[in-house]
Amino acid sequence: NAGVTQTPKFRVLKTGQSMTLLCAQDMNHEYMYWYRQDPGMGLRLIHYSVGEGTTAKGEVPDGYNVSRLKKQNFLLGLESAAPSQTSVYFCASSYSLAWANEQFFGPGTRLTVL
Amino acid sequence: KNEVEQSPQNLTAQEGEFITINCSYSVGISALHWLQQHPGGGIVSLFMLSSGKKKHGRLIATINIQEKHSSLHITASHPRDSAVYICAVTDRGSTLGRLYFGRGTQLTVWP
Repeated sequence: NAGVTQTPKFRVLKTGQSMTLLCAQDMNHEYMYWYRQDPGMGLRLIHYSVGEGTTAKGEVPDGYNVSRLKKQNFLLGLESAAPSQTSVYFCASSYSLAWANEQFFGPGTRLTVL
Repeated sequence: KNEVEQSPQNLTAQEGEFITINCSYSVGISALHWLQQHPGGGIVSLFMLSSGKKKHGRLIATINIQEKHSSLHITASHPRDSAVYICAVTDRGSTLGRLYFGRGTQLTVWP
């Protein structure tokens, strides 16, 4: 099993460009999450999904959109990238909203917006 | 206001030393997680616990629910333990089972 994978691993964008980050999991998990990690800050939740076809906003959703058309994939889109979106993005998934909610993380995507 | 506070922020140790990283939290939790992040790498789960103590090899995690405090101990530290250690808690009051993350502790172990 590959677990949680993310593509691409690295990307450099110019301000105003758009891109999509892809997260895929092969564990049949219902729940998927997108986080961003910035220096000196804890991971912050951008958007999440509790099942195929459903998405919801997290803590820092502005400037991002998501889609979950298939259970195994969770896409994060930046329509018009801004330098403030320079960050490392992590996708995670979990089996259910069990009380403990152990999440499995992807390897991360390092995005730089110039 | 950060729901999860870790200390220290940075920690340097000599190989073989006993290491402790602390985590305090302010929300009611259903579980506490210790995660490890290597440079340039992803994040892996080390422990998930809701009471008492867990041990895996040289790593020990403890939690005191009454005091809202957890510690991660590394015995006989090794340079390969160098990484960022992140404490996270599952918010008991959240229907999402929301995780709150600490800022992480950067550990460097010198040979």
